[in-house]
Amino acid sequence: AQSVTQLDSQVPVFEEAPVELRCNYSSSVSVYLFWYVQYPNQGLQLLLKYLSGSTLVKGINGFEAEFNKSQTSFHLRKPSVHISDTAEYFCAVTDAGNNRKLIWGLGTSLAVNP
Amino acid sequence: NAGVTQTPKFQVLKTGQSMTLQCAQDMNHEYMSWYRQDPGMGLRLIHYSVGAGITDQGEVPNGYNVSRSTTEDFPLRLLSAAPSQTSVYFCASSYRDSHTDTQYFGPGTRLTVL
Repeated sequence: AQSVTQLDSQVPVFEEAPVELRCNYSSSVSVYLFWYVQYPNQGLQLLLKYLSGSTLVKGINGFEAEFNKSQTSFHLRKPSVHISDTAEYFCAVTDAGNNRKLIWGLGTSLAVNP
Repeated sequence: NAGVTQTPKFQVLKTGQSMTLQCAQDMNHEYMSWYRQDPGMGLRLIHYSVGAGITDQGEVPNGYNVSRSTTEDFPLRLLSAAPSQTSVYFCASSYRDSHTDTQYFGPGTRLTVL
């Protein structure tokens, strides 16, 4: 069965510092991978997704993620964060061959401090 | 284009009461779903629909009913509310029944059952 592990439940960081939010998955088949962001008191919105092709995926708001098949990881990075990046970030995975079920991680709370 | 809308934003119920959480989308999406979000448990799928007249259960369907009489609307009914149903509920939609498509989320309904 597929699963997603977000290795950090909370990540505090200072403004303009780089950040990496870690996501590992487990699957016996090929996968598609996603990062969603949830700003305070809002619904989730897609940051970026990996379906195929280049393993480095660029998303909105300056975020990017790299798919590493050998390490079964899909870590999210941003070189310089802003206060407005304070949010909950969710990693999710689906089976590439039967992508009707989305498996969600528990989320990482990013707190950007001035 | 309003996207995915949910009403109400907040609701307090007493144990045993019933209510309907409304969800509507104006993007002509085939796929709609309901999630609940609880601390430490991430997002869990309650019910989903792949088109008008077609619904199916997710991983936590007990205590909830859904129907999909139109493409636009996907209400979630709590038949007899229980304190365990205190949660934040999100409705989501996507163009197709495929998680390669971006999920669009509503702003959520915060439900408290006393």
